[in-house]
Amino acid sequence: GAVVSQHPSRVICKSGTSVKIECRSLDFQATTMFWYRQFPKQSLMLMATSNEGSKATYEQGVEKDKFLINHASLTLSTLTVTSAHPEDSSFYICSARDRRTGLETQYFGPGTRLLVL
Amino acid sequence: GESVGLHLPTLSVQEGDNSIINCAYSNSASDYFIWYKQESGKGPQFIIDIRSNMDKRQGQRVTVLLNKTVKHLSLQIAATQPGDSAVYFCAEPYNNNDMRFGAGTRLTVKP
Repeated sequence: GAVVSQHPSRVICKSGTSVKIECRSLDFQATTMFWYRQFPKQSLMLMATSNEGSKATYEQGVEKDKFLINHASLTLSTLTVTSAHPEDSSFYICSARDRRTGLETQYFGPGTRLLVL
Repeated sequence: GESVGLHLPTLSVQEGDNSIINCAYSNSASDYFIWYKQESGKGPQFIIDIRSNMDKRQGQRVTVLLNKTVKHLSLQIAATQPGDSAVYFCAEPYNNNDMRFGAGTRLTVKP
């Protein structure tokens, strides 16, 4: 149990375009999902916390208009990178907390590698 | 702010040997810790967790030790295998929602 998927796994886009990344909890409901960004050889950096049915909470320094988050259901959250630029190229990882257990453990998706040309 | 960090950035072991990965934390109020394994190009994978009311917890080939006195956490992997090669992160919940990660230790297993 506690499987999280992401789509796409890899995307290459032109500068100025928008890219949507989906995060799904496959076998559990997640009231809270998290979006992280990871640069090569570095740890995960939390970008925002997404709660179902409410606005996402963004970490300091993360532009909410640049990284649009929608958490429309208990199993789906989306991250849209708007007007992407080469500096947005990174590995984006989502995670979800299983509401059944009530524990703080987050289960992670496989990640999406974004390359902006 | 308070943080979770690691002592060693890299660790190289021979296949079959035991591995020990260390982590120091600064928040003495932390009561729950998690170890994650991240293979190249993949998301972190939950390995094992421990609550502060325990000082040791065992899983399959892995053991986590918690020393609250010195605020130190370790992950021990028995009979390390090539498939164990990855980056290992310790993490703790933060602010009831967030998860703070250590810098990570890269474990390389030599055949």
